[in-house]
Amino acid sequence: AQTVTQSQPEMSVQEAETVTLSCTYDTSESDYYLFWYKQPPSRQMILVIRQEAYKQQNATENRFSVNFQKAAKSFSLKISDSQLGDAAMYFCAYRSASNNDMRFGAGTRLTVKP
Amino acid sequence: ETGVTQSPTHLIKTRGQQVTLRCSSQSGHNTVSWYQQALGQGPQFIFQYYREEENGRGNFPPRFSGLQFPNYSSELNVNALELDDSALYLCASSLALAGGPGHEQYFGPGTRLTVT
Repeated sequence: AQTVTQSQPEMSVQEAETVTLSCTYDTSESDYYLFWYKQPPSRQMILVIRQEAYKQQNATENRFSVNFQKAAKSFSLKISDSQLGDAAMYFCAYRSASNNDMRFGAGTRLTVKP
Repeated sequence: ETGVTQSPTHLIKTRGQQVTLRCSSQSGHNTVSWYQQALGQGPQFIFQYYREEENGRGNFPPRFSGLQFPNYSSELNVNALELDDSALYLCASSLALAGGPGHEQYFGPGTRLTVT
């Protein structure tokens, strides 16, 4: 079964600095999707960025970018120029291309210091 | 915010009771997925509905069941509640083609269920 591991329960970053959140996953499939979701306190979970496994190019969305290493089964999220509004729980998620089961990691709580 | 709404916001039930949670999809979406998020953990996939049919299920017992209606809104029903069912229940809607994995999921704010 596919598993997603986030080894950093908590991370902290200074405002305007850069932080990288780690995620590894285990799968025997070749076709899948990877996601980073943000869940602010008491607010809805929102999609930050997604990556298709068949694409070699790393996805980028404004200040958010990923480092996708398919062979290493690693999918880290880099947040540049961190803002106070980036403070939230961040979840890494995996979904097979062949079914609808989305697997989430345990999350990383990001604190942004002013 | 997404266009996905859930009701109620909070709910307290007693062990052994039954509960129904509701989800209204974002306009134009035909697929709804339900997740259970225990405190301090990531969401766990319960099941997905596509065009009123169950279209994938996670590792949850049959006492977790669901419905999707013609307007694509959805219900999650849990029978014989257990203490471990206490969690945040999230629904997420998406636009899927032919029952496939679908596009990005848009999450609702969740229903906090407490079982005593």
